[in-house]
Amino acid sequence: ELKVEQNPLFLSMQEGKNYTIYCNYSTTSDRLYWYRQDPGKSLESLFVLLSNGAVKQEGRLMASLDTKARLSTLHITAAVHDLSATYFCAVSESGTYKYIFGTGTRLKVLA
Amino acid sequence: GAVVSQHPSRVICKSGTSVKIECRSLDFQATTMFWYRQFPKQSLMLMATSNEGSKATYEQGVEKDKFLINHASLTLSTLTVTSAHPEDSSFYICSAVLAGGVLQLEQFFGPGTRLTVL
Repeated sequence: ELKVEQNPLFLSMQEGKNYTIYCNYSTTSDRLYWYRQDPGKSLESLFVLLSNGAVKQEGRLMASLDTKARLSTLHITAAVHDLSATYFCAVSESGTYKYIFGTGTRLKVLA
Repeated sequence: GAVVSQHPSRVICKSGTSVKIECRSLDFQATTMFWYRQFPKQSLMLMATSNEGSKATYEQGVEKDKFLINHASLTLSTLTVTSAHPEDSSFYICSAVLAGGVLQLEQFFGPGTRLTVL
């Protein structure tokens, strides 16, 4: 059974600081997704990672995937208040369209 | 492209009544749609997989007689919460997979429906 864990669950950080969110999963998968969710809203797609070693960057966010370690990271560079949200990773079960979501990381960036 | 809508966005109903939520893929055809439920400050939990023209596949612990899913066309899936109770109050989110899409097998998410049962 595929399980997905994120850490930390909560993250409070100062503006301008860097930090990394980790997403570990338990069985083989070659597709991993990162989403942002604002309060009361649905999911906003951030990154789609399809292969081992994939690295994608958008603004202050950078995501990477290591399929051998079953680990993805979401790195935040020089955080700003607008990045405050909940971030989810989701892993696709091999051979299916199904996603298993991580527990989520609630990020609060303090001005 | 790849826009998914949900209707209604919010619904309040009395305990014991039924509520229907629609999920539409606006600019693409979706052979597969998914229904998720999200309680406050929790992650998304997959409820069921909806395939056009066939019965939905429910996840363990989800009552199929309570959460009726119909996927009558390639652009529409509906979730009906029957005999709703306050514990069914939640944020319901659907997603759709592009028919014939292979490379990314990506789900596109709707804006969600907030259900409150009084």
